[in-house]
Amino acid sequence: AQSVTQLDSQVPVFEEAPVELRCNYSSSVSVYLFWYVQYPNQGLQLLLKYLSGSTLVKGINGFEAEFNKSQTSFHLRKPSVHISDTAEYFCAVGRNRDDKIIFGKGTRLHILP
Amino acid sequence: DGGITQSPKYLFRKEGQNVTLSCEQNLNHDAMYWYRQDPGQGLRLIYYSQIVNDFQKGDIAEGYSVSREKKESFPLTVTSAQKNPTAFYLCASRMQGTTTEAFFGQGTRLTVV
Repeated sequence: AQSVTQLDSQVPVFEEAPVELRCNYSSSVSVYLFWYVQYPNQGLQLLLKYLSGSTLVKGINGFEAEFNKSQTSFHLRKPSVHISDTAEYFCAVGRNRDDKIIFGKGTRLHILP
Repeated sequence: DGGITQSPKYLFRKEGQNVTLSCEQNLNHDAMYWYRQDPGQGLRLIYYSQIVNDFQKGDIAEGYSVSREKKESFPLTVTSAQKNPTAFYLCASRMQGTTTEAFFGQGTRLTVV
């Protein structure tokens, strides 16, 4: 079975500090990986995606993620956060054979002044 | 502009009543999805459809029903059999059979009163 684990339910970080949101996945087949952001009472917006090729993926709003096949991880990072980054972040894994996309439980990012 | 439209944004239902949530997309996407979101539980898949007139149960289909009579529409009915329907519901779509991301609507918040 395929699953996604986001290791932290909440992450507090000071403004302008770096942040890493952790994501591990399990799968026995080839997958493709996503990070989404959700602002309060809104839908999800794609931050970045990994399909193949370079393991370092850059996304919108200064975020990037690194795919690590040996550790089955896809951690999201930003070198300097802003108050506007306050949101919930979801890691997701997709697979071709049945078009399903499986989401983690989310990590709520709190930016401290 | 292309996108996914969910309506209404807020919905109130009395116990024992069925209610239908609307989801329309003009992205010409083949696959459509319904997710339920509860605090701390991430997104859980209710139903998904890869093609018109066909759909599959997700992880929490009990108490829900869907139809896919048109490519652009995928309404979700929350029936009286759903024991705890109060939640945020998200509709998404994506191209079938490709490694593309899902696009989300803005969600419908359903409250049982």
